[in-house]
Order: sequence, then structure tokens, then C-alpha cells
Amino acid sequence: EIVLTQSPGTLSLSPGERAALSCRASQSVISNFLAWYQQKPGQAPRLLIYDASSRATGIPDRFSGSGSGTDFTLTISRLEPEDFAVYYCQQYGNSPKTFGQGTKVEIK
Amino acid sequence: EVQLVQSGAEVKKPGESLKISCKGSGYIFLNYWIGWVRQMPGKGLEWMGIIYPADSDTRYSPSFQGQVTISADKSINTAYLHWSSLKASDTAVYYCARYRRGIAASTDPFAVWGQGTRVTVSS
Repeated sequence: EIVLTQSPGTLSLSPGERAALSCRASQSVISNFLAWYQQKPGQAPRLLIYDASSRATGIPDRFSGSGSGTDFTLTISRLEPEDFAVYYCQQYGNSPKTFGQGTKVEIK
Repeated sequence: EVQLVQSGAEVKKPGESLKISCKGSGYIFLNYWIGWVRQMPGKGLEWMGIIYPADSDTRYSPSFQGQVTISADKSINTAYLHWSSLKASDTAVYYCARYRRGIAASTDPFAVWGQGTRVTVSS
């Protein structure tokens, strides 16, 4: 099973700042099948990025994904108030399709 | 509109059985893998398993194999998650979610999510 480790656990930033979230895999992710999700309290997760760097339908271009192999990054170029949430990475190339433990982006 | 609508919250006692549901609409239900994701109180997301309704091919995470059963009734566009004997540790919100693409290969992210079903198991 691939273990995904996200860092930091919590990121304290102000609106307008840039956020960089890390996701490290315990082994190489097949075909860079790596996704990022956003979850707000009381809501279902929302797909942001798939295949490591492709934005899902309707996702603003301030969200971008990068990386390959075992190291991946989600970047939010300028934080908007609605971006403060928990973010999860997920690999879906190997079974089981595991999630990271999440990074909380909070208002500083 | 593509959507997944899950059944309502449940309160059960340890040892009881439970089946929760997830009804798809706005797309061809047969052609998309549907999965289940657990979120325990205050915790992260856990991938439980997936089913391909067209042929009922089912895959489980080792952590959930034997603990739950995933099924689908393609005649009514509905997927299910079933427990035969609940434990207190099954208390969680359970999400169903659909793959992004209608493909037979089991490698895709979850692009459409249900609203979640809260399951509480307590004596």
C-alpha cells in the first residue's frame, strides 16, 4: 500500500498570500495518478486537480498541481477567503487508492 | 445535472446490520465506477472500495475487506454499502463518489460526490 504523507499539517496564511502544500508518496505513483481535493466543514470533498497537474472542471486557475514520481505539490497562487479549508491528496494508480492525512489551510 | 444522492443518517446499536444507499442520476450509471469513502469524526478520508455497476466488479481496500460489502443494483441506478454486524468504531460519515470518466479501468479520481451519510453506532 502506498502511504501519502502531507505537509505541513496546518498552514496559517493571510488572504492574498501563496500556499504550497506537499504530498510525498512512499513509492512512485504510477503514471502520476495523483489528485488533490478540497474539503470544507460539513461538506463533501471536491476534486481540484487530477493526473498531478490537470485542473478539474470549474476549478479556478489560481489552483495548480505539479510534481511526479513521489513528490507532488498543490499551489494556490493567491488565497481567497473561500480557499481556507482542508486539502487531501490521493493516489489512484495502485490499489488500494490511498489518501494523505490532509493539510489544513487556516486564516492567520 | 449529474448527482449522487445518499440515504439519510442512521443511528444503530452494535451488532445490528445496516445498508446505506447512493443513487446516481444525470449520467449512464452502468459506465462509471462508484466508490465509498469513510471519514471518522474529526479525521481524514479513507478509501474503502469501488464497484463497476456494469459487471459488479468490486475492489476493496485490505483495511475494509471482509468488514463491509459493496454492491449495486443497476436497474435502479443505486450503489450500496452494507454491514452485517456494526461496531462502535464504524461511527463515521460515509461518502459515495463517482469516477471522473466512464471507463472500465479502475484508475481515476472521484469527481462527483454524494452528500454523505452519517452513521452512529452506540449502545
